[in-house]
Amino acid sequence: AQRVTQPEKLLSVFKGAPVELKCNYSYSGSPELFWYVQYSRQRLQLLLRHISRESIKGFTADLNKGETSFHLKKPFAQEEDSAMYYCALIPLGGTSYGKLTFGQGTILTVHP
Amino acid sequence: ETGVTQSPTHLIKTRGQQVTLRCSSQSGHNTVSWYQQALGQGPQFIFQYYREEENGRGNFPPRFSGLQFPNYSSELNVNALELDDSALYLCASSFFRGGADTQYFGPGTRLTVL
Repeated sequence: AQRVTQPEKLLSVFKGAPVELKCNYSYSGSPELFWYVQYSRQRLQLLLRHISRESIKGFTADLNKGETSFHLKKPFAQEEDSAMYYCALIPLGGTSYGKLTFGQGTILTVHP
Repeated sequence: ETGVTQSPTHLIKTRGQQVTLRCSSQSGHNTVSWYQQALGQGPQFIFQYYREEENGRGNFPPRFSGLQFPNYSSELNVNALELDDSALYLCASSFFRGGADTQYFGPGTRLTVL
């Protein structure tokens, strides 16, 4: 079975500081990894996914298969980045198709 | 493009009752997944529907059941409600391509079981 761990429930940084939200996963096969974000009073929305290798709102994430991690990074945090961030995984192949497994989430607060 | 919609927004039921939650998928999507999000937790996969059939199920008992209709909308039914069923229920739609398709979420239905 797959598992996603986000070790930090809360993360606080000041505006302009670098930010890294940690995500570790366990899965024996090949996964596709996602970061979803939920801003205050808004629905859960996709921030980025590994396969597209895009930088969205200045965020990037690198899949490290050796360390089984998919940490989310941004060099200069903005106040509007304050939100709940979820890391999630879908197994590629097997019988778990379509099943997104989420971590418990990290609340990021960016102070002015 | 119309996003995923869910109804109702909030619902209060008592233990033992039955509830039906509804979801309309985003235009162009043919697959619907349901998730349960307890307070302070990440969403947990309940099941997915594609071509009006269940296409994968998480670790939820049979009293959680669903339907998908020809227009790709979906219902989640929960029988014999328990207090622990109190949660935010999220619906997500996607277009089935046979891989790790991106899922787009609705705003959720907040269910409270008293």
